[in-house]
Amino acid sequence: GDSVTQMEGPVTLSEEAFLTINCTYTATGYPSLFWYVQYPGEGLQLLLKATKADDKGSNKGFEATYRKETTSFHLEKGSVQVSDSAVYFCALSDRGYGQNFVFGPGTRLSVLP
Amino acid sequence: EPEVTQTPSHQVTQMGQEVILRCVPISNHLYFYWYRQILGQKVEFLVSFYNNEISEKSEIFDDQFSVERPDGSNFTLKIRSTKLEDSAMYFCASSGPSPLHFGNGTRLTVT
Repeated sequence: GDSVTQMEGPVTLSEEAFLTINCTYTATGYPSLFWYVQYPGEGLQLLLKATKADDKGSNKGFEATYRKETTSFHLEKGSVQVSDSAVYFCALSDRGYGQNFVFGPGTRLSVLP
Repeated sequence: EPEVTQTPSHQVTQMGQEVILRCVPISNHLYFYWYRQILGQKVEFLVSFYNNEISEKSEIFDDQFSVERPDGSNFTLKIRSTKLEDSAMYFCASSGPSPLHFGNGTRLTVT
């Protein structure tokens, strides 16, 4: 079955540091890929997405590029802020319209001032 | 921006009791979902719902669980006889089509 693997957390960085959270996937088809973020005490919010190979999703300074050859969708940000502290979930949907999503286990990021 | 809303935000119940978790999906969405997240663990799919019927469900979604869309706006998850291990955050989501839009969740505590 489809699966998503993320780097183990927690990740602790100082403010303005560079962030990378690795995500790799296994899917039978050509999935759409997503990053969701969960701030403390809140629900899941879509951060960015990419629907086909070589697409780059970006939002709030975060970026991720859909790499079909390495089945990866790593999340990056050039300069993190304390307010970026959250849990980040990589996810895929390989059957398009209305199907369930497969989530990775989440990576907790703590940014220290 | 339209939101998925869930009520209550926190529900405490005794083992064996029935609970109903409520959700109002985004109004023009057609697909509705329930996910759960046991504290500190991954987000797990429970069920998807389309055209007034369940379109897919996971192994977690056993006979103790049911979903209903009683009117044009609400989408509910019922747990008939709660167990301690049902304690989790329950997230409702809707789409039409992807991506999923999630509510803020209901924290269910079974004592």
